[in-house]
Amino acid sequence: QKEVEQNSGPLSVPEGAIASLNCTYSDRVSQSFFWYRQYSGKSPELIMSIYSNGDKEDGRFTAQLNKASQYVSLLIRDSQPSDSATYLCAVNHPGNTGKLIFGQGTTLQVKP
Amino acid sequence: GAGVSQSPSNKVTEKGKDVELRCDPISGHTALYWYRQSLGQGLEFLIYFQGNSAPDKSGLPSDRFSAERTGGSVSTLTIQRTQQEDSAVYLCASSSPHGGVYEQYFGPGTRLTVT
Repeated sequence: QKEVEQNSGPLSVPEGAIASLNCTYSDRVSQSFFWYRQYSGKSPELIMSIYSNGDKEDGRFTAQLNKASQYVSLLIRDSQPSDSATYLCAVNHPGNTGKLIFGQGTTLQVKP
Repeated sequence: GAGVSQSPSNKVTEKGKDVELRCDPISGHTALYWYRQSLGQGLEFLIYFQGNSAPDKSGLPSDRFSAERTGGSVSTLTIQRTQQEDSAVYLCASSSPHGGVYEQYFGPGTRLTVT
């Protein structure tokens, strides 16, 4: 079992729809969770971080964390073609050293 | 403010040569990380520096890889006797831990091609 799992996609949604990206992790002691967006040929860009169970909203983005289910998700409302990218889920390495374990990423395609 | 910078942006080298990749973290960030990303793959942790502590080298794939961080700021990743499988994008990130949380910010990366 991979430590951080994501569906590679592509996930295709029409413009204006809600895109839902999911991630599961294997280590229950993980405390910090991050979503990065990576455009083709570019480096990852931090878009959301979440540390407590529940929802965290920032503009069109909502991160959701359920530690009991070891599940974290990212919702993108009113999806735009410019949201088309690969979304990487990252989880802090046990021991809270700052090391991150990344999933393989989900490719999102938003079609006009 | 200025973000993480990396140089060179692209490096083409012949198999067997040594290469040095440079990372300049965000000013004031005490933690610095190196990752690599091969084509179509996720990010692979390589090494981590935090302040004056001994670096965490647990991700280095072989003893051909080494890194140093001088003066708690700039870091250099060195790959000796490069192999074709070393071809990848090498990414540097930095963070300033607060409350035990490390939000990492990435530089633009160095694309290494070994021919």
